[in-house]
Amino acid sequence: AQSVTQLGSHVSVSEGALVLLRCNYSSSVPPYLFWYVQYPNQGLQLLLKYTTGATLVKGINGFEAEFKKSETSFHLTKPSAHMSDAAEYFCAVSVAGNNRKLIWGLGTSLAVNP
Amino acid sequence: EAGVAQSPRYKIIEKRQSVAFWCNPISGHATLYWYQQILGQGPKLLIQFQNNGVVDDSQLPKDRFSAERLKGVDSTLKIQPAKLEDSAVYLCASSLSPDSGNTIYFGEGSWLTVV
Repeated sequence: AQSVTQLGSHVSVSEGALVLLRCNYSSSVPPYLFWYVQYPNQGLQLLLKYTTGATLVKGINGFEAEFKKSETSFHLTKPSAHMSDAAEYFCAVSVAGNNRKLIWGLGTSLAVNP
Repeated sequence: EAGVAQSPRYKIIEKRQSVAFWCNPISGHATLYWYQQILGQGPKLLIQFQNNGVVDDSQLPKDRFSAERLKGVDSTLKIQPAKLEDSAVYLCASSLSPDSGNTIYFGEGSWLTVV
């Protein structure tokens, strides 16, 4: 079975500072890993995903994440935060195959201070 | 390309009343999902359709919730009778196929408040 832990339900950074949102997973087989973002009063939007291949994945809006198997982590980073990055971020894990359920983390709320 | 469409966006009902939510997925997407998202939590899968067949409804409270996708395109989620704890955002989503590596595209959600 898979599980996801997002460390820190709330993260606050200053505009221009590094954004680091932590995600650790548990999976007995090679995982598929996802980061989704949810802006206020909107649905979820895929930021990036790792399925196979290169472990450093680049996504939209300048975000990237690195799959580290040895650390069972998939942390999300952005070098310089913008005010528009303020949102809820969700990490999710699945495994290869059809109809494999996405297991979601509880989310991290990112605040960006001017 | 049009995204996942949902309606209504907002609904307030009294407990024990009924409500229905409609979803139109992205054209050509065979897989459709309904999620429930309670404030402060991640999404919880209620039901997954592959075309017009149910793939997973293990977390759907079947005594009060029902969903259908009769022609393999649009879908309706119904709650009857509603309880206070059903207050949540109901997210419809779709993907090209059930392959777990596919991106799931979400609608903006239908916000339900039960009073």
